[in-house]
Amino acid sequence: DVKVTQSSRYLVKRTGEKVFLECVQDMDHENMFWYRQDPGLGLRLIYFSYDVKMKEKGDIPEGYSVSREKKERFSLILESASTNQTSMYLCASSAGTGGSGGTEAFFGQGTRLTVV
Amino acid sequence: DAKTTQPNSMESNEEEPVHLPCNHSTISGTDYIHWYRQLPSQGPEYVIHGLTSNVNNRMASLAIAEDRKSSTLILHRATLRDAAVYYCIRKLTFGKGITLSVRP
Repeated sequence: DVKVTQSSRYLVKRTGEKVFLECVQDMDHENMFWYRQDPGLGLRLIYFSYDVKMKEKGDIPEGYSVSREKKERFSLILESASTNQTSMYLCASSAGTGGSGGTEAFFGQGTRLTVV
Repeated sequence: DAKTTQPNSMESNEEEPVHLPCNHSTISGTDYIHWYRQLPSQGPEYVIHGLTSNVNNRMASLAIAEDRKSSTLILHRATLRDAAVYYCIRKLTFGKGITLSVRP
């Protein structure tokens, strides 16, 4: 059974903290993605990566950074957490070069982050 | 612009077919159309995708217009478990999706 695993389902952090959200996939996929999901706004792409040590900004990268040192792991970093970053964060992966193209993406279960 | 347009919501009766429409008028010739669905408290799951021809799998069918500016996801017999938010997407850019309710 293919899997995308996010390290935490629920997380509570304080304003100003540095926060790491971890995502691991076991399918040897080239592409990995981070989204956030907020009520009424759907899923919005934060960052994505097509290869190890490679990253591209999505639609809403401000306040976030990412790291992809190994193919199977893609980390989302909140340098200084703020209350407006309270959200559901979803990680996904897909095979193939240059993005999703004709292949399906697999999503993790999500991390619900609350910043207080 | 990888935007798609879907109605906000749709209702269906159990065991009847459901047709979920999507407009993607700015689609390029190489963009695939993907459909995902999201059940409460879960991440999105893949439903189906296609490029030009109609596609069928065990979950659904995808009918793509000849000009590729619109598509329709077809659930042949809706069940209560099909109640979810359905997203029609290009290039993994999600919108708000369409919320499908299924009446018993």
